[in-house]
Amino acid sequence: GAVVSQHPSRVICKSGTSVKIECRSLDFQATTMFWYRQFPKQSLMLMATSNEGSKATYEQGVEKDKFLINHASLTLSTLTVTSAHPEDSSFYICSAINPGGASGTQYFGPGTRLLVL
Amino acid sequence: AQRVTQPEKLLSVFKGAPVELKCNYSYSGSPELFWYVQYSRQRLQLLLRHISRESIKGFTADLNKGETSFHLKKPFAQEEDSAMYYCALRDFGNEKLTFGTGTRLTIIP
Repeated sequence: GAVVSQHPSRVICKSGTSVKIECRSLDFQATTMFWYRQFPKQSLMLMATSNEGSKATYEQGVEKDKFLINHASLTLSTLTVTSAHPEDSSFYICSAINPGGASGTQYFGPGTRLLVL
Repeated sequence: AQRVTQPEKLLSVFKGAPVELKCNYSYSGSPELFWYVQYSRQRLQLLLRHISRESIKGFTADLNKGETSFHLKKPFAQEEDSAMYYCALRDFGNEKLTFGTGTRLTIIP
């Protein structure tokens, strides 16, 4: 149980275009999801907390207009990278809290690799 | 602000030898610590959490508040333990996790 999926797994886009990444909880409802960014050989950096039915909470230094987060349902959060540039190329990972699971445990998606040309 | 430090980026251990992956933290309150693991080509997954006080896959970790450490240990390494290990601290009052930089553990046959 407690499976989180992400789509797409990999995306290549041109500079200036927008890219949407989906994060779904498949067998549980998640009121809270998280979006991370991971650079090669570095740790996961939390970008924002996605709350169902309310605005996302962004970490310091993360541009909310650049990384739009929408958590419209209890099983889906989307991250849209707007006007993507090569420096946005990275590995984006989402996670979700299962309210019925062990406290504090996050379930991670497989990640989405974004390459901006 | 909280911080999690994993001083070793890489760690190689012979099969059958003991393993210790170090994790130190700084946090002003009462922390909740986790170890997450990422096997090759798999997603990040929870290995263990300090409040459970359990052994998972032979691994244990004890929270030492005096030394602000949460080292991960296993007495006899196995080849399938090769993976990336992340120590994480949970922010009291919310669900956010702060991750360390990770340690890549390689078990030498």
